[in-house]
Amino acid sequence: GAGVSQTPSNKVTEKGKYVELRCDPISGHTALYWYRQSLGQGPEFLIYFQGTGAADDSGLPNDRFFAVRPEGSVSTLKIQRTERGDSAVYLCASSHRGEETAFFGQGTRLTVV
Amino acid sequence: AQTVTQSQPEMSVQEAETVTLSCTYDTSESDYYLFWYKQPPSRQMILVIRQEAYKQQNATENRFSVNFQKAAKSFSLKISDSQLGDAAMYFCAYRTYHTGANSKLTFGKGITLSVRP
Repeated sequence: GAGVSQTPSNKVTEKGKYVELRCDPISGHTALYWYRQSLGQGPEFLIYFQGTGAADDSGLPNDRFFAVRPEGSVSTLKIQRTERGDSAVYLCASSHRGEETAFFGQGTRLTVV
Repeated sequence: AQTVTQSQPEMSVQEAETVTLSCTYDTSESDYYLFWYKQPPSRQMILVIRQEAYKQQNATENRFSVNFQKAAKSFSLKISDSQLGDAAMYFCAYRTYHTGANSKLTFGKGITLSVRP
């Protein structure tokens, strides 16, 4: 696609529910990143994929968070047993391997009530 | 670990005037990239300008330029001839130079820029 696409744009869920957030990177980009942006803060790194594998998941806050990228393109961030503290904007970015500039999607605003 | 500090939470500028946004960072690496991203209410992070640490010349993109002081670990953004469309949050970000490693971005807290008509 022309840019990084994230769906849904907004998601409201009840505490304790499971949610999936989708990221469709720019075609041909092998590197994919997930970030979380809390209100009034800068984005914080969650996980990095190079191809299909998670090369660095050190930013995932706990085992309720998991992400996959089975075919090396679309990625899904999965959050189990959501908590109110998970409310944030989740941003996805992609780049060619070795290129310094990452391109971002418009994010998914997750609200846990 | 690298850190990025943006100590000004908000700034305001008159339309057509010039404004400078400050950023400092801390790293033990000698080669790296620095970025300024703009985030309007649409939430999408838009790249404004990029600086390679090994380049002494300050980067420039139209009305946007940086003052990169490597020894002082300072990376400020100057916006000339400010326009109403420049109003947004601006984030300073750091990335390692080594492409084989995780090329994640480390962001500052951001600064909210308002432009007065």
